[in-house]
Amino acid sequence: EPEVTQTPSHQVTQMGQEVILRCVPISNHLYFYWYRQILGQKVEFLVSFYNNEISEKSEIFDDQFSVERPDGSNFTLKIRSTKLEDSAMYFCASSEQGEDTGELFFGEGSRLTVL
Amino acid sequence: KNQVEQSPQSLIILEGKNCTLQCNYTVSPFSNLRWYKQDTGRGPVSLTIMTFSENTKSNGRYTATLDADTKQSSLHITASQLSDSASYICVVSAPGANNLFFGTGTRLTVIP
Repeated sequence: EPEVTQTPSHQVTQMGQEVILRCVPISNHLYFYWYRQILGQKVEFLVSFYNNEISEKSEIFDDQFSVERPDGSNFTLKIRSTKLEDSAMYFCASSEQGEDTGELFFGEGSRLTVL
Repeated sequence: KNQVEQSPQSLIILEGKNCTLQCNYTVSPFSNLRWYKQDTGRGPVSLTIMTFSENTKSNGRYTATLDADTKQSSLHITASQLSDSASYICVVSAPGANNLFFGTGTRLTVIP
């Protein structure tokens, strides 16, 4: 069964360092997303991406964050200068249709720990 | 304000027993309601997705109900198994982009 894959599964970094989280969405999906989940809290939307550009972003997704689809398969989330409060589980998701009607398929997540 | 509230926050049941999880929402307009299962440290996995016109949907031992008039949904788990131990998240969608509203989840623990 097709699945969304994410790497790394866990990354530990020092505050102020740049981090890149990688995702390979399901191949025929057109909509891509990043969510995050701070330990013990609800899942929060970061950004959606369609047709090679950001379609929506939340207040969390400030200038420190960026997304890219560098080739036909990868979808990356970059955090330029990590802060302690960026420590969370980051989930990539993809869907065939927009998130309001299409089923979302989540990856297993990348756990980011900022020291 | 668009909100999704789930209850109980946590639940412990014996293996083989049934349980029901609740979700109340204030999201309007409404597109669909989803239930996800999230194992600890893993990504959410879709169990059911229901539109306005559907009031019940099953996926194996999981049965979701939806009352769009009262804005309530429930997830019923029959004959629970140890592998059902997870968080169950209710997500309500409104039309348009960035319009998924997540509940905080119910943490279910099934014990032998």
